[in-house]
Amino acid sequence: DAKTTQPTSMDCAEGRAANLPCNHSTISGNEYVYWYRQIHSQGPQYIIHGLKNNETNEMASLIITEDRKSSTLILPHATLRDTAVYYCIVPGTGTASKLTFGTGTRLQVTL
Amino acid sequence: NAGVTQTPKFRVLKTGQSMTLLCAQDMNHEYMYWYRQDPGMGLRLIHYSVGEGTTAKGEVPDGYNVSRLKKQNFLLGLESAAPSQTSVYFCASSPREVGEQFFGPGTRLTVL
Repeated sequence: DAKTTQPTSMDCAEGRAANLPCNHSTISGNEYVYWYRQIHSQGPQYIIHGLKNNETNEMASLIITEDRKSSTLILPHATLRDTAVYYCIVPGTGTASKLTFGTGTRLQVTL
Repeated sequence: NAGVTQTPKFRVLKTGQSMTLLCAQDMNHEYMYWYRQDPGMGLRLIHYSVGEGTTAKGEVPDGYNVSRLKKQNFLLGLESAAPSQTSVYFCASSPREVGEQFFGPGTRLTVL
């Protein structure tokens, strides 16, 4: 499994875009990048995943660099409800997606 | 759909006691997972299952056993609880290997 590196914490003003970086320099060619978030002590919530191309859904956009060694999760218009810990995960390949959650980035959205 | 449910929500055990945590999903998912989360840490995978009747070890399997007798249920057992197993336990399910895992609300377990 590729190791990921994320900043410990970030702040973002409500209504602005939140850009959360992740470094995964040891990723291999067929490994996906996943993003989850955890609000308070709730169960993690899936946000998005991608392999090579940029991805967008109703929650966020995922930008993966051409060399795939890093990615950025973009929340286009952050709200207070987006305050959470965000995890960037590269689970590797195999018979199941065995997610390994590091300590993530604590995003604080403020007024 | 109820999604992924976990029973119980809270439990306090004494050292050496045993218990079983139940995870149920009504989405007909093949894959199911058990994670634990210690204070201030990310989740770690305990065991997982790729289908009814199958189980496999994850990152931290010691002290736990699991069973998947029915597709919709994934049981996590602690035969002899230890204080080091004090944690929040999350169950998840997914329809396929790649893609979203759906998480339950968690079980908060304290072992005294």
